[in-house]
Amino acid sequence: DIQMTQSPSSLSASVGDRVTITCRASQGISSYLNWYQQKPGKAPKLLIYAASSLQSGVPSRFSGGGSGADFTLTISRLQPEDFATYYCQQSYNTPRTFGQGTKLEIK
Amino acid sequence: EVHLVESGGGLVEPGGSLRLSCAASGFTFGNAWMSWVRQAPGKGLEWVGRIKSKTDGETTDYAVPVKGRFTISRDDSRDTLYLQMSSLKTEDTAVYYCTPDSGSYYDYFQYWGQGTLVTVSS
Repeated sequence: DIQMTQSPSSLSASVGDRVTITCRASQGISSYLNWYQQKPGKAPKLLIYAASSLQSGVPSRFSGGGSGADFTLTISRLQPEDFATYYCQQSYNTPRTFGQGTKLEIK
Repeated sequence: EVHLVESGGGLVEPGGSLRLSCAASGFTFGNAWMSWVRQAPGKGLEWVGRIKSKTDGETTDYAVPVKGRFTISRDDSRDTLYLQMSSLKTEDTAVYYCTPDSGSYYDYFQYWGQGTLVTVSS
């Protein structure tokens, strides 16, 4: 199975900050990498697919990058509604696997 | 508009069984590969398994922790996905979501239901 490791596990930041979350796969996965945002009590929401493609309706302050085994999710200017937990997920093969999550909290 | 409604969750004793359902609408269910994803309380997301479309053989894949205990099936005439869970363990306690694979070259989970909570406890 491909292991997905996110860092950091938690992050404190302020409104207006630029933040970057990283995700590393245990083997190369080309660009088969997705990012989700989840708020408490809600289902996950797709933000980025294919490593860098912005899902329709998602604000442009979200961006994804990387290929191979190392990936990033960047939020350029944090907004109050961005404080949530973020997950990466590989779709290179089965079983599909998720990172452990990064909880983004208000400083 | 895509709509997914999971049901069937509840409290069950260890070793027991439960069947979850996922009623789908707003897309051609019969053409979709469908997955179950779960989330234990306070924990991260875990892919449970997937069933391909009938056209693609209706084959199934499972995560190691549930293989041999869980069975995914589908009824395309009812646009409904099922997850039959048996020999349940306390660690199966989670919210269970159904989600269609995107069907695109780079697969992803765009649509999610609200989830149904399964609690395994004596």
